[in-house]
Amino acid sequence: QVQLVESGGGLVKPGGSLRLSCSASGFTFSDYYMSWIRQAPGKGLEWVSYISRSGNTIYYADSVKGRFTVSRDNAKNSLYLQMNSLRAEDTAVYYCARDRATGAFDYWGQGTLVTVSS
Amino acid sequence: DIQMTQSPPTLSASVGDRVTITCRASQSISSWLAWYQQKPGKAPKLLIYKASSLESGVPSRFSGSGSGTEFTLTISSLQPDDFATYYCQQYNSFALTFGGGTKVEIK
Repeated sequence: QVQLVESGGGLVKPGGSLRLSCSASGFTFSDYYMSWIRQAPGKGLEWVSYISRSGNTIYYADSVKGRFTVSRDNAKNSLYLQMNSLRAEDTAVYYCARDRATGAFDYWGQGTLVTVSS
Repeated sequence: DIQMTQSPPTLSASVGDRVTITCRASQSISSWLAWYQQKPGKAPKLLIYKASSLESGVPSRFSGSGSGTEFTLTISSLQPDDFATYYCQQYNSFALTFGGGTKVEIK
């Protein structure tokens, strides 16, 4: 069965860095576009970043552009999000999600919590 | 960016009620709209894609309609498991954007 498992979240000080990972199984990872989506505590969903199947096409939300970098390793069935210059407003649960080839997300991970606080 | 506006933000309803949630886009998104259900502490679950296509395994009491800028999610007969928060999402263009959510509460 399709599984997405995020890891790498935790507590980090403002200005710090963190790298999130998403391990995929149960499907051919290289066949799917992937995205990161976050949800601040008690708030709604915010799309963060998208990466194409080969990694050649990438998009970011304006709120993270220049600070976050998405990447993938199809050989390792893994998706990554390198987060630099973290701010308090980046505090959220971060989900990786599979794109069902049209931009709707049919599978999501359980999420990993990132807390940015001094 | 395309703004997605959901209404109402909160909805109180009883088991068996017919429930309708509206989502409006700030510009035309054709039929590139999805609906998700989220329960506390859980990841969202895809219900509807391409405005009206039911995701596999989702009960038929859920339906979606609309195109252009106005969309609706309808639950034909609300069940106890349906009390949750619902989000719409456009995927017509990047940046992908979500509506603010509609919380369906027990009346």
